[in-house]
Amino acid sequence: AQSVTQLGSHVSVSEGALVLLRCNYSSSVPPYLFWYVQYPNQGLQLLLKYTSAATLVKGINGFEAEFKKSETSFHLTKPSAHMSDAAEYFCAVHIQGAQKLVFGQGTRLTINP
Amino acid sequence: NAGVTQTPKFQVLKTGQSMTLQCAQDMNHNSMYWYRQDPGMGLRLIYYSASEGTTDKGEVPNGYNVSRLNKREFSLRLESAAPSQTSVYFCASARPVAGPTDTQYFGPGTRLTVL
Repeated sequence: AQSVTQLGSHVSVSEGALVLLRCNYSSSVPPYLFWYVQYPNQGLQLLLKYTSAATLVKGINGFEAEFKKSETSFHLTKPSAHMSDAAEYFCAVHIQGAQKLVFGQGTRLTINP
Repeated sequence: NAGVTQTPKFQVLKTGQSMTLQCAQDMNHNSMYWYRQDPGMGLRLIYYSASEGTTDKGEVPNGYNVSRLNKREFSLRLESAAPSQTSVYFCASARPVAGPTDTQYFGPGTRLTVL
């Protein structure tokens, strides 16, 4: 079965520091992978997605993620954190054929001034 | 173009009461979904409708029913609410007639408390 695991339920970084949010996937077929962001009291917004084209995917707000098949990972990074990045981030895998997404548990990102 | 809309935004119920959460999308999407979000558990799929006229159970369907009223609207009903159904509920839609079929678009959520 396809699934994703997010390592770390809470991540805290200083403003201007590197952001690294970890996601590992399990899939017997080439996966479609997503990162969504949820700002406080809002719905989820798509940050970026990987659909088997380029392995380095660029998203909105300066985020990017790299698909590494050998490591079954799809970690999310941003070179320099901004206060406005404080939110919860979800990794998800698309279940092909069933038209469903399976989400990880989420990582809450806190930015320290 | 409002995207995905949900009503109500907040609701408080007593145990045993019933209610229906409404969801509508104006993006001409074929698929619609209902999720619940609980702390530390991510989003879990309750029910989904891959196309108008079809509905299927997701990961946590017990205690819920759904109706795909038409292509735009997908409602979630709690027949006899229980405290375990206290959660934030999100509706999402996907699969435009033309375009990527995999990306889901989410509504703003309904925060439900069952006392």
